[in-house]
Amino acid sequence: DIQMTQSPSSLSASVGDRVTITCRASQSIRNYLSWYQQKPGKAPKLLIYAASILQSGVPSTFSASGSGTDFTLTISSLQPEDFATYYCQQSFSTPYTFGQGTKLEIK
Amino acid sequence: EVQLVESGGGLVQPGGSLRLSCAASGFTFTSYSMHWVRQAPGKGLEWLSYISSSGTTMYYADSVKGRFTISRDNAKNSLFLQMSSLRAEDTAVYYCARWDYRISWFNDYWGQGTLVTVSS
Repeated sequence: DIQMTQSPSSLSASVGDRVTITCRASQSIRNYLSWYQQKPGKAPKLLIYAASILQSGVPSTFSASGSGTDFTLTISSLQPEDFATYYCQQSFSTPYTFGQGTKLEIK
Repeated sequence: EVQLVESGGGLVQPGGSLRLSCAASGFTFTSYSMHWVRQAPGKGLEWLSYISSSGTTMYYADSVKGRFTISRDNAKNSLFLQMSSLRAEDTAVYYCARWDYRISWFNDYWGQGTLVTVSS
């Protein structure tokens, strides 16, 4: 199975900050990587697919990059609505594993 | 508008069974593969199961293999998860999600989730 490791597990930041979350796969997954945002009590929301493509309707303050085993999600200027938990998921092979999540909290 | 609505969750005793449903609307259900994903209280997302658009190919996480069965009724635009031999650790919110492909695979639409509680 492919293991997905996110770092950090939690992060405190302020509105307007630039933050970066990292996701590492235990083997190459090419660009079969997506990022999701989840708020308490809500379903996950797709932000990024194919490692770097912004889903329609997602603000351009979100960006992502990577290929192979190392991936990053960047929020260029944090907005109040961005405080949530973020997950990466690989879709290269089953089981389609998620990272453990990164909880982004207000400082 | 794409909608996925799960139902069937509830309280069940250990060793019991439950069948979850996911009603799909707003898209051509027969064209999409589907997934079940769960989230235990306070924990992260766990992928559980996949079914192809035709219903002929299924995959399962080791944690549920042999106990859970995914299926679909394309005539009724519905996805199912039959769960048996339930354990306390199966307590979670269960989500259905649509699987799409553009360069890569991803879950683009999710239901609101249905809570399953396994407890005596």
